[in-house]
Amino acid sequence: DAKTTQPTSMDCAEGRAANLPCNHSTISGNEYVYWYRQIHSQGPQYIIHGLKNNETNEMASLIITEDRKSSTLILPHATLRDTAVYYCIPRRTLNFGNEKLTFGTGTRLTIIP
Amino acid sequence: DTGVSQDPRHKITKRGQNVTFRCDPISEHNRLYWYRQTLGQGPEFLTYFQNEAQLEKSRLLSDRFSAERPKGSFSTLEIQRTEQGDSAMYLCASSFSTAEAFFGQGTRLTVV
Repeated sequence: DAKTTQPTSMDCAEGRAANLPCNHSTISGNEYVYWYRQIHSQGPQYIIHGLKNNETNEMASLIITEDRKSSTLILPHATLRDTAVYYCIPRRTLNFGNEKLTFGTGTRLTIIP
Repeated sequence: DTGVSQDPRHKITKRGQNVTFRCDPISEHNRLYWYRQTLGQGPEFLTYFQNEAQLEKSRLLSDRFSAERPKGSFSTLEIQRTEQGDSAMYLCASSFSTAEAFFGQGTRLTVV
């Protein structure tokens, strides 16, 4: 499994865009990049995932560099409820039979009022 | 609520006792996962089921741990002869095929 590097913590002002970087320089061609977050005392929550192209959904946008060695999760208008630990997780596709998510220590994002 | 349900939410037990946790996945999800999370760390994979078959077990899952998923529906995780090092949050997740996994709120175990 690819290793990831994320900042330990970040602050962002409420209403601003929060940009969370992740380095996954050893990612292989059959691994997607998944993002989950975990609000205090809750289970992890799926946010978004992608392989090569940028992705957007109602929660966030995911920008993956062309060489796929890094990605950035963007929360366009951060609110206090976005305060959480954010995990970047490479995950193999089904064809390679590896189903599990391997969590690191993530980035603790604090939204400042 | 059609999310993943875990019971109990909190459990305090004395060292040496056995405990059992239950997870009810989202209906029709054929994959079910158990994770363990200690303070300040990300969740660690324990085991996963596809329907009733247990397909992978982590080395973290010692002989004192056993998980079942009879009939491919709910799952139980049992810890025998609990130790203080077993104190953690135990998380269950489910998914349909290769889609994203949805997590429950977890069961927080404290061994005293």
